[in-house]
Amino acid sequence: DAKTTQPNSMESNEEEPVHLPCNHSTISGTDYIHWYRQLPSQGPEYVIHGLTSNVNNRMASLAIAEDRKSSTLILHRATLRDAAVYYCILRDNNAGNMLTFGGGTRLMVKP
Amino acid sequence: EAGVAQSPRYKIIEKRQSVAFWCNPISGHATLYWYQQILGQGPKLLIQFQNNGVVDDSQLPKDRFSAERLKGVDSTLKIQPAKLEDSAVYLCASSPDARAYLYGYTFGSGTRLTVV
Repeated sequence: DAKTTQPNSMESNEEEPVHLPCNHSTISGTDYIHWYRQLPSQGPEYVIHGLTSNVNNRMASLAIAEDRKSSTLILHRATLRDAAVYYCILRDNNAGNMLTFGGGTRLMVKP
Repeated sequence: EAGVAQSPRYKIIEKRQSVAFWCNPISGHATLYWYQQILGQGPKLLIQFQNNGVVDDSQLPKDRFSAERLKGVDSTLKIQPAKLEDSAVYLCASSPDARAYLYGYTFGSGTRLTVV
């Protein structure tokens, strides 16, 4: 199975950009990279996903390394509401098309 | 569009009792998932349905857990009898079809179960 490695926690200041890294050195050519986040007392929320090219949406940007062995979720201007656990997930080949969650990165945003 | 609805929001039961959770996915979503999230950990998949059929239940403890999705819409997850280690948040998610790597999931807010 392709696995991801993320830092357990990160801190950011409010209104500054945040770069959340994810390593996935064993990614296969057809694995999509998904990012979800989970705010306190809520279910996970889809943020963004991509395959090879960088992706942008209203919530964030996803920068994917050329060799696809790592990716970075970019929050352009962190707010207190962005404090959450961020999960980097690959499609799990051995579990069909299901998404398997790891431990994620807990992002703390300081005012 | 309405999100994934789950009930109850909280449940406290004694060990060896039974409990059931209900999920109503987004209208038209063929694929439904149940996840278990123990405090401090990421969600762990229990079972996946495609319409009213089970796609994968390899992680479901079948001696005490059961799930069904009658008519391919609502789903219920049952635990009988409950153990202390079943204390967790039970999350339901849905996606348009089984290609979750394309579409991603929409999650409900979950049911927090405490077994005492």
